[in-house]
Amino acid sequence: AQSVTQLDSQVPVFEEAPVELRCNYSSSVSVYLFWYVQYPNQGLQLLLKYLSGSTLVKGINGFEAEFNKSQTSFHLRKPSVHISDTAEYFCAVSDLSSNTGKLIFGQGTTLQVKP
Amino acid sequence: DAGITQSPRHKVTETGTPVTLRCHQTENHRYMYWYRQDPGHGLRLIHYSYGVKDTDKGEVSDGYSVSRSKTEDFLLTLESATSSQTSVYFCAISDHAGQGYYGYTFGSGTRLTVV
Repeated sequence: AQSVTQLDSQVPVFEEAPVELRCNYSSSVSVYLFWYVQYPNQGLQLLLKYLSGSTLVKGINGFEAEFNKSQTSFHLRKPSVHISDTAEYFCAVSDLSSNTGKLIFGQGTTLQVKP
Repeated sequence: DAGITQSPRHKVTETGTPVTLRCHQTENHRYMYWYRQDPGHGLRLIHYSYGVKDTDKGEVSDGYSVSRSKTEDFLLTLESATSSQTSVYFCAISDHAGQGYYGYTFGSGTRLTVV
């Protein structure tokens, strides 16, 4: 069975500092990987996804993530955060061979950007 | 989100009463999903559908049922609401599974309180 672990429940950081949100997954098969963002009182929006090809994936709002198959990780990074990046971030995995498209989500990481 | 709406947005109900949440899409997507979001648990899959009248259970399906009589509507019913079902419920849609998969589009959520 697949699982996703987000290693930090909360990450406080000052504005304009770099940030990394960590995600590890467990799966016996090849996977697709996703990061979603949820702003307060809103639904989830897709930040970026890894399906195949280059292991460095760029997304919206200056975020990027690197797929590391040997370490089964998909960490999210941003070189300089803004107050507006304050939100909850979810890592998710989908079985490459699945015919259902189900996503398994991590527990979420709250990014708190301080002025 | 554009193309997917959930109703109601907020609901307060009493323990023991049945409750139905509705997800409506205009994207003609094949796959629809119901998740619940709880602090510390991320999003957990309740039920999903891979076509009209085709549904299956997720990881937290006890106490919930679903129906999909037409492509655009996916209903989630709490047979007899309990306080443990107080949560935020999200519907999601996707078009492809496997090759070419691009992930979900989420609705705005329904906040359900069982008193």
